[in-house]
Amino acid sequence: AQSVAQPEDQVNVAEGNPLTVKCTYSVSGNPYLFWYVQYPNRGLQFLLKYITGDNLVKGSYGFEAEFNKSQTSFHLKKPSALVSDSALYFCAVSSNRDGYNKLIFGAGTRLAVHP
Amino acid sequence: KAGVTQTPRYLIKTRGQQVTLSCSPISGHRSVSWYQQTPGQGLQFLFEYFSETQRNKGNFPGRFSGRQFSNSRSEMNVSTLELGDSALYLCASSLWSPAGELFFGEGSRLTVL
Repeated sequence: AQSVAQPEDQVNVAEGNPLTVKCTYSVSGNPYLFWYVQYPNRGLQFLLKYITGDNLVKGSYGFEAEFNKSQTSFHLKKPSALVSDSALYFCAVSSNRDGYNKLIFGAGTRLAVHP
Repeated sequence: KAGVTQTPRYLIKTRGQQVTLSCSPISGHRSVSWYQQTPGQGLQFLFEYFSETQRNKGNFPGRFSGRQFSNSRSEMNVSTLELGDSALYLCASSLWSPAGELFFGEGSRLTVL
């Protein structure tokens, strides 16, 4: 069965510092990995995805993520955090075996960026 | 280009009633998926429709159903509502492509009393 783990409920970082939000996954078949962000009382917004190719994926708003097959991880990173990055971040996985659009989401990590 | 539109945004029902939620996808998107978001269970996949056919289904009881119309608009229905059905129901649309990004609506928040 597919699963996604986001080990941290909350990540606190000072503005201007680098940030990392962790994600590990378990999937049968080829993984398709995603990061989404959710602001209060809003739907989810797509940040980036990994399907194949370069392990370092660049996405919206300066975010990037690194796919590590051996560690089954897909951590989200940003070199310099902004207060406006404060939100709820979800990692998700799908596979070619279970259906491309059947996303399994992690529990979410709340990112708090302090001025 | 208009985004994914969900109606109603908020609704309150009582146990035993039924509810229908509507989703209008982005123009040209033929795949529509539904997710339930609750504080306890997080985001859970309900079902996906493509060209009026259910392509995939999550682990929800038969009280949860959906359909898609020829214009790609979708509805989901929950019958015999339970307190635990209180949630934010999110609809997402996408182009038909392997692992294409999902575009989410702002959701319909259902409260069951």
